Amino acid sequence: DAGVIQSPRHEVTEMGQEVTLRCKPISGHDYLFWYRQTMMRGLELLIYFNNNVPIDDSGMPEDRFSAKMPNASFSTLKIQPSEPRDSAVYFCASSGTSGGLTYEQYFGPGTRLTVT
Amino acid sequence: AQSVTQLDSQVPVFEEAPVELRCNYSSSVSVYLFWYVQYPNQGLQLLLKYLSGSTLVKGINGFEAEFNKSQTSFHLRKPSVHISDTAEYFCAVMRGNQGGKLIFGQGTELSVKP
Repeated sequence: DAGVIQSPRHEVTEMGQEVTLRCKPISGHDYLFWYRQTMMRGLELLIYFNNNVPIDDSGMPEDRFSAKMPNASFSTLKIQPSEPRDSAVYFCASSGTSGGLTYEQYFGPGTRLTVT
Repeated sequence: AQSVTQLDSQVPVFEEAPVELRCNYSSSVSVYLFWYVQYPNQGLQLLLKYLSGSTLVKGINGFEAEFNKSQTSFHLRKPSVHISDTAEYFCAVMRGNQGGKLIFGQGTELSVKP
């Protein structure tokens, strides 16, 4: 298994531009999570999906952020317009359900976003 | 609400010395507990997990952790560390009825010196 795949690995953009981060979860996993990691705030859960449906988006910082999961093998996190304070590493993770319970999450390598 | 507190932000230790990274959680319901490790410029990798059963759980790379319900703790230990253990370590809690949502601690930076 290739694990969770994220693209791009690095993104540098100017303030005001639209940024789209992509994630391919592990095949067969039914949960997908988006996190943001910064020195100041640590690891924050932004949103997560179950069977392609958003379950909890309470961590999404503001309306500039949106996430979609059009099918079981693909998700996007979009920031429009981007701001310098959005600079962070964004992780995608997925997990599977067994016997009705969900266990460990598998993380992708992350996308390092720099907004200038 | 549940929370996770990692009591040390940084832990410096010499190679081959034992180490303990402390984690306390607060929750009014049963939880599952995890330790993840993050090497520089990489994603998080699962070290070990406690779901039920024996309170002493063993993970990868010689790490182990003990679940203590009365003290609401889940401390991570290794009897002898290596330079390669230098990384950030995260404790995390999952409520059994919350659909896989993890609450992470702030992380402990383990620095192993020769």
